[in-house]
Amino acid sequence: KAGVTQTPRYLIKTRGQQVTLSCSPISGHRSVSWYQQTPGQGLQFLFEYFSETQRNKGNFPGRFSGRQFSNSRSEMNVSTLELGDSALYLCASSLMSIGTSGRAVEQFFGPGTRLTVL
Amino acid sequence: GESVGLHLPTLSVQEGDNSIINCAYSNSASDYFIWYKQESGKGPQFIIDIRSNMDKRQGQRVTVLLNKTVKHLSLQIAATQPGDSAVYFCAENIGYNFNKFYFGSGTKLNVKP
Repeated sequence: KAGVTQTPRYLIKTRGQQVTLSCSPISGHRSVSWYQQTPGQGLQFLFEYFSETQRNKGNFPGRFSGRQFSNSRSEMNVSTLELGDSALYLCASSLMSIGTSGRAVEQFFGPGTRLTVL
Repeated sequence: GESVGLHLPTLSVQEGDNSIINCAYSNSASDYFIWYKQESGKGPQFIIDIRSNMDKRQGQRVTVLLNKTVKHLSLQIAATQPGDSAVYFCAENIGYNFNKFYFGSGTKLNVKP
């Protein structure tokens, strides 16, 4: 079974630009979460989508947004890029959302997209 | 491969020894915890989880201990192998709040052959 795929793997942008990252979850998985990983802040939760609805959001500015399509694929968008947005952006998929299932479900992470803002 | 470049505490162990990685969490309302392993160039990989109504859970070569009194979590790896070299993170979830997890800062495990 194919794992979580993220495209592109590497991206270089300049300040002020916007960027869209894509995540294809494991087939059959309905929950997609996004995380930002930086040396200073570690792994931080951005948001989670389940059945095309945003279920949860982390403490990031409104420049960070996302969406999920009917096939569970998800995109995240960052507008007006800042130098501090340089990070590894990770996507994780799971069969369902932990809240709705009432039990623990395993999340599978993709390899990430390395975004560099110059 | 992709390197996260984190400046992390490092635990160095000899191959075959047991490893203990610790994690302190801050929110007493956290009720579900996961340990992840992240190798260079890869995303985090699930190792083992534990609910707050348990204080110990065992997997294959791994054991997680939870001490809610002092808000401490540990991961024990038996007979550590070179393939265990990676960065290890604990993650906590509060109130089974969908899939929103708070990650610890991580520990780098270096296994010497």
